[in-house]
Amino acid sequence: GAVVSQHPSRVICKSGTSVKIECRSLDFQATTMFWYRQFPKQSLMLMATSNEGSKATYEQGVEKDKFLINHASLTLSTLTVTSAHPEDSSFYICSASGQAGAYQPQHFGDGTRLSIL
Amino acid sequence: DQQVKQNSPSLSVQEGRISILNCDYTNSMFDYFLWYKKYPAEGPTFLISISSIKDKNEDGRFTVFLNKSAKHLSLHIVPSQPGDSAVYFCAASAELGGTSYGKLTFGQGTILTVHP
Repeated sequence: GAVVSQHPSRVICKSGTSVKIECRSLDFQATTMFWYRQFPKQSLMLMATSNEGSKATYEQGVEKDKFLINHASLTLSTLTVTSAHPEDSSFYICSASGQAGAYQPQHFGDGTRLSIL
Repeated sequence: DQQVKQNSPSLSVQEGRISILNCDYTNSMFDYFLWYKKYPAEGPTFLISISSIKDKNEDGRFTVFLNKSAKHLSLHIVPSQPGDSAVYFCAASAELGGTSYGKLTFGQGTILTVHP
């Protein structure tokens, strides 16, 4: 149980393109999903908390107009990198908790490798 | 400000021996701690967790120890197997913190290599 699917796994596109990444909880409903970013040889950094039916909560330093998050249903959250530039190239990963309540582990998708040329 | 630190970038262990991965934290509000295993180009896989009301949690070959006074936790893998070779991340969250509910802060990771 608690499977999180992320798509696409890899994107290569030109500078200025907007890229949408989907995160789905396959066997559970997730009112909250999280989006992380990992730079090479660094840890995962939380970008934002995606809340179903309401606005996302962004971490300090993350541009909300750059990284648009939509959590339209209990099983789907999307991250759109708008007008992507080479500095946006990174590994983006989503997560969700398989059960409601505190002290529940986050389960992660397999990530999306974004490369902007 | 690195609130969760894994000071050992790498660890090499012989198959069958014990692997001990360490993690320190500074935020006293953290009350839930997790260990994840990660392969390149994949998302982290949850291994084991512990809440601050406990000092030990065991699941098969994996045991997590928590020393709250020292703000230190460790993951023991015994016996270690070559398939355990991966990057291990510790993570922490402040579940009772209200606004921090569910938000994980990760350490930098430790590369574990288990030699046959």
